[in-house]
Amino acid sequence: TQLLEQSPQFLSIQEGENLTVYCNSSSVFSSLQWYRQEPGEGPVLLVTVVTGGEVKKLKRLTFQFGDARKDSSLHITAAQPGDTGLYLCAGKETSGSRLTFGEGTQLTVNP
Amino acid sequence: GAVVSQHPSRVICKSGTSVKIECRSLDFQATTMFWYRQFPKKSLMLMATSNEGSKATYEQGVEKDKFLINHASLTLSTLTVTSAHPEDSSFYICSAEREGLGDEQYFGPGTRLTVT
Repeated sequence: TQLLEQSPQFLSIQEGENLTVYCNSSSVFSSLQWYRQEPGEGPVLLVTVVTGGEVKKLKRLTFQFGDARKDSSLHITAAQPGDTGLYLCAGKETSGSRLTFGEGTQLTVNP
Repeated sequence: GAVVSQHPSRVICKSGTSVKIECRSLDFQATTMFWYRQFPKKSLMLMATSNEGSKATYEQGVEKDKFLINHASLTLSTLTVTSAHPEDSSFYICSAEREGLGDEQYFGPGTRLTVT
């Protein structure tokens, strides 16, 4: 079973600050997906990274996939209260369809 | 887009009864769907992989006779919690895999099950 370590687990910041969430593994993933989940709802896909070294930007969010496809990061610039939520990284195994989820990062952005 | 629906969104049942949860991919076909369970403030825990036209693959520790999965079509998978007990109370979420670059999984809105 592949493991994906996500950090930090909790993050409380002020509006306008920057932050980075990390996901690390000793295993190689064929792709990695980032989700955002709000209480009582299902996770919403933010981005999928597939190629080692890939960088994708989604407005104030920047996603990076490690060269070896073992790790990924999510960087948010100028965080806003609307960014509050549970951020989940999920790596797809090289064989099969299963996703390995990180433990999640609960982000709170205070106005 | 890729929309996945779940029904019901909330259900309360009595201990000993069975509850069926439906997961539908609305605008794409999904050969593979997944069922997860999520505890408060925790990440998702994969219960089983649902394959259209064949038996589901259960994760270690998940009782297949208790959590019955049926994937009868390319757009519908169902999870039936049989003889439910209070400890089965949880947030159940399904996802559907849309084949293509990255084979992304799209999640339903979840079903809150409360067993009294």
